[in-house]
Amino acid sequence: QSALTQEASVSGTVGQKVTLSCSGNNNNIGSYAVGWYQQISHGPPKAVMFGNSLPSGIPDRFSGSKSGTTASLTITGLQPEDEADYYCSTWDYSLRAQVFGGGTKLTVL
Amino acid sequence: QVQLVQSGGEVKKPGASVKVSCRASGYIFKDYGIGWVRQAPGQGLEWMAWFSGYNGNINYAQKFQGRLTMTTDTSTNTAYMDLRSLRADDTAVYFCARRTVVEGDWYFDVWGRGTLVTVSS
Repeated sequence: QSALTQEASVSGTVGQKVTLSCSGNNNNIGSYAVGWYQQISHGPPKAVMFGNSLPSGIPDRFSGSKSGTTASLTITGLQPEDEADYYCSTWDYSLRAQVFGGGTKLTVL
Repeated sequence: QVQLVQSGGEVKKPGASVKVSCRASGYIFKDYGIGWVRQAPGQGLEWMAWFSGYNGNINYAQKFQGRLTMTTDTSTNTAYMDLRSLRADDTAVYFCARRTVVEGDWYFDVWGRGTLVTVSS
């Protein structure tokens, strides 16, 4: 069981706005920023968000936010190439571990 | 450009050990950390360990304590992951990733392509 909870699946149509959530507690998301990683067809993960900062080369339709113990990744203007698995991750000082969510499968209809 | 090149796939028998390498290029190796993350078939990502380029500390996930050793060779800009006493459930793709700091928090910003380790009798 993951320390961070994500939706198993989310879907949207091209051009739509979708939000993926990542829920934790005060030991992890409540204390540290959250990274988001995109994985297409079980290839290597790719960083798409560092807290609320965009990594170099990531389109600005991706945005990140956090409120309390829940982090969110929003994609505004969904594109077919955004179809992937998305994982959130942060440090948990109680577990003394880098924790990942179980992943959300994003389907672009 | 920044790259992490991992060694090729391995097939091991239960009880054996495996050593996976991750060679970095395109940046100053000692200025960044390296982490290891694995993914079992059909499963999510699982953190194993990371090396801090900031202070040289190595942090292991409790699950792997005593069975995993992470080392680095600064002369060849290579990180190694040595996992011992392999079991069938260690079958997974093993990723290395560069660890970087952004606004005071740490992230994995560049990932290797992964190394498939299969444990089977």
